[in-house]
Amino acid sequence: EVKLEESGGGLVQPGMSVKLSCATSGFTFSDYWMEWVRQAPGKGLEWVAEIRNKANNYATYYGKSVKGRFTISRDDSKSIVYLQVNSIRSEDTGIYYCTRRYNSWGQGVMVTVSS
Amino acid sequence: DIQMTQSPSSLPASLGDRVTITCRASQDIGNYLRWFQQKPGKSPRLMIYGATNLAAGVPSRFSGSRSGSDYSLTINSLESEDMAIYYCLQHNEYPLTFGSGTKLEIK
Repeated sequence: EVKLEESGGGLVQPGMSVKLSCATSGFTFSDYWMEWVRQAPGKGLEWVAEIRNKANNYATYYGKSVKGRFTISRDDSKSIVYLQVNSIRSEDTGIYYCTRRYNSWGQGVMVTVSS
Repeated sequence: DIQMTQSPSSLPASLGDRVTITCRASQDIGNYLRWFQQKPGKSPRLMIYGATNLAAGVPSRFSGSRSGSDYSLTINSLESEDMAIYYCLQHNEYPLTFGSGTKLEIK
């Protein structure tokens, strides 16, 4: 069974950093591209970032609103994908989901940006 | 960036109805279009991929189609469990973009 479990969220002060993790199991993690999608409270889905696999040189891609502040990375030995969030803003508040090619999703982790 | 214009934003419907939700792409995206269902408090669920292909475990009353730059999700014979918000996603070009969502609710 494919499982994705996000962690690392919580209350973060504006301008600070947070690192989200997504631990996975039930599939060969190293074969897959992985993504992060977020959802502000009461709003729609927003694509955040993607990281490809080793065969695709671990290429990364980002949404416009997060480019330069967010970094997606992965550890194939641990089957974990990360999202480093720097210079966090109030508009970054929301639920962050990790996905495996949009077929499988985690339950999401809440990030609240507030002083 | 590719804009995905989704309509309607809200769709009241009755059980047993046939309903259609549409996303229009601002540029060519081929068939790189997926549809998702999201219920309150839950993670999104993939329903359609490649514009017309049913994802695993999705009931056959769901279908996807394409006409030019218009992509549609149709639900035949609406059931109560289908009440949710539906989103399209284009994955032809970065940054990927979602439609704004359609809330399907009981009339």
